[in-house]
Amino acid sequence: EIVLTQSPATLSLSPGERATLSCRASQSVSSYLAWYQQKPGQAPRLLIYDASNRATGIPARFSGSGSGTDFTLTISSLEPEDFAVYYCQQRSNWPSTFGQGTRLEIK
Amino acid sequence: QVQLVQSGAEVKKPGASVKVSCKASGYTFTGYYMHWVRQAPGQGLEWMGWINPNSGGTNYAQKFQGRVTMTRDTSISTAYMELSRLRSDDTAVYYCARDLSATVVTPPRCFFDYWGQGTLVTVSS
Repeated sequence: EIVLTQSPATLSLSPGERATLSCRASQSVSSYLAWYQQKPGQAPRLLIYDASNRATGIPARFSGSGSGTDFTLTISSLEPEDFAVYYCQQRSNWPSTFGQGTRLEIK
Repeated sequence: QVQLVQSGAEVKKPGASVKVSCKASGYTFTGYYMHWVRQAPGQGLEWMGWINPNSGGTNYAQKFQGRVTMTRDTSISTAYMELSRLRSDDTAVYYCARDLSATVVTPPRCFFDYWGQGTLVTVSS
């Protein structure tokens, strides 16, 4: 199965700063990659699918890029509500797999 | 508005089975695949499989084959996930999640746009 490696494990930034999260796949997943945000005690929330398409209702400060094995989630200017754990997920190969997550914390 | 409401927390002994329900509202239940994803305490997300609510067809991750059964009752717009021969490492929050694609004629997209609130299943002797 495809392994997704997210980096860094923890990212410490301040509101207003730019966040760049990385997801690397063990083999090509084309553009079949999504990003989710999860806050404590809540279900994940779909942010980006097909590597760069924002899901319904997701603010424009969230953007995704990449293809093949290297992907990036960028949050252009952090809002207080953006501090959470972020997961990438691939659906290119069965079974679908998730990365281990990046924790975005307030500096 | 789309809602997925899951059944309440469960405590089970090793070797037992658990059945979690997921009641859908706000959309055509038979028009979207439903997936199940679990999350062990403090851990990441793990996809378990999907069900086609229209046909009842299923696809399970190999890890769970032989232990998981996904079913549905279209009359009450509810999906079920039953996991048998429970072990302590099955302790997790179990989520149902709707597929992003509004069709069950083609294979699922396997991205998840709406999620249930989660059901904590604790396996302990």
